[in-house]
Amino acid sequence: ETGVTQSPTHLIKTRGQQVTLRCSSQSGHNTVSWYQQALGQGPQFIFQYYREEENGRGNFPPRFSGLQFPNYSSELNVNALELDDSALYLCASSRTIDTQYFGPGTRLTVL
Amino acid sequence: GESVGLHLPTLSVQEGDNSIINCAYSNSASDYFIWYKQESGKGPQFIIDIRSNMDKRQGQRVTVLLNKTVKHLSLQIAATQPGDSAVYFCAERTGGFKTIFGAGTRLFVKA
Repeated sequence: ETGVTQSPTHLIKTRGQQVTLRCSSQSGHNTVSWYQQALGQGPQFIFQYYREEENGRGNFPPRFSGLQFPNYSSELNVNALELDDSALYLCASSRTIDTQYFGPGTRLTVL
Repeated sequence: GESVGLHLPTLSVQEGDNSIINCAYSNSASDYFIWYKQESGKGPQFIIDIRSNMDKRQGQRVTVLLNKTVKHLSLQIAATQPGDSAVYFCAERTGGFKTIFGAGTRLFVKA
């Protein structure tokens, strides 16, 4: 186990709704990255947070946003959900640019 | 749990044999490379990493080889076991924050 936890495990939403996913990083890790993994594909980088600031972003629209809290835990928010947002959302924590350790993911289904 | 990698390239090996999983990476400026193992229903698990100033690194039963000339990475697993069955992803990192994953290879170990 990596010590990275995510909640909820599974979630079902309908198109147009908003969702918040949560991640608790491993003790001592100050950086959190979020990834989207569609079925049959590798994880795609969404963004990274370091010391409560967004530190880099992949090719995702602004309706994907995030937060990092003083205890380094993080949230991923997705507004105006679309069917294609259905995926496994992974959180990974690290100490700055060291190796990233992944949580088990949240499976989001958009109907 | 959900299925990972429904249409991925598949490598099938006999238990006890050595496995070699190959990966071509995209960015010649990438300076850090990682191999992850992902089992069904779980997040990616770190296996081994290598920096661009090295061409070989060994771990327990695993070896990673890096050929920067042809932008190729390989993962060798010695004495493959049924527990090694999973999807394997190579990943590259450029600039310290964005990690780009490959498409993945499914390893199937026959007992």
